[in-house]
Amino acid sequence: DAGVIQSPRHEVTEMGQEVTLRCKPISGHNSLFWYRQTMMRGLELLIYFNNNVPIDDSGMPEDRFSAKMPNASFSTLKIQPSEPRDSAVYFCASSNDLGGFTDTQYFGPGTRLTVL
Amino acid sequence: AQKITQTQPGMFVQEKEAVTLDCTYDTSDPSYGLFWYKQPSSGEMIFLIYQGSYDQQNATEGRYSLNFQKARKSANLVISASQLGDSAMYFCATRSGSARQLTFGSGTQLTVLP
Repeated sequence: DAGVIQSPRHEVTEMGQEVTLRCKPISGHNSLFWYRQTMMRGLELLIYFNNNVPIDDSGMPEDRFSAKMPNASFSTLKIQPSEPRDSAVYFCASSNDLGGFTDTQYFGPGTRLTVL
Repeated sequence: AQKITQTQPGMFVQEKEAVTLDCTYDTSDPSYGLFWYKQPSSGEMIFLIYQGSYDQQNATEGRYSLNFQKARKSANLVISASQLGDSAMYFCATRSGSARQLTFGSGTQLTVLP
């Protein structure tokens, strides 16, 4: 079975530009997570969807960040306008959330974003 | 709130030897899961093993085992017979019954020496 798919794998853009990151979760999984990894802050949750509905977006840094999940097989994370401090690796993860605490999250390969 | 502490920023181990990576956690929730992930230099996050707070036995998965000591709130990862390909960053994470997201530790960089 295919794992979580993310695109692009690498993105270099200039400050002020719009950036869109894409994610396809594992088929059959009902929960999707966007995490960001930086040297300073480690891995932190940005937003979490369950059954395509945003449940917790308290980790989204500011209004420049937005995320959507129009259907069970696709999600986007958009940054507009981008800033150099947004440079990080962005991971998408999915899980089959059965309400337990051991539901495993499987991560995509990540998108390495560099904002110049 | 949940917290994961990994006190070893870097570890070295000789090929074919066993190594233990430390992880302590802090949560007030009686129901929680503990997870270990591997991040090689290529960057992806690979799930290795999990332990539930009510599991009586330590989890094992191939060469990986989790030394779960609930009273001490520790969930150390043991890798037996280390291989060169085990060189990577290892993250401990927790998730309580009331939260869906994972809380990660700062990671331990493991280097396996030939």
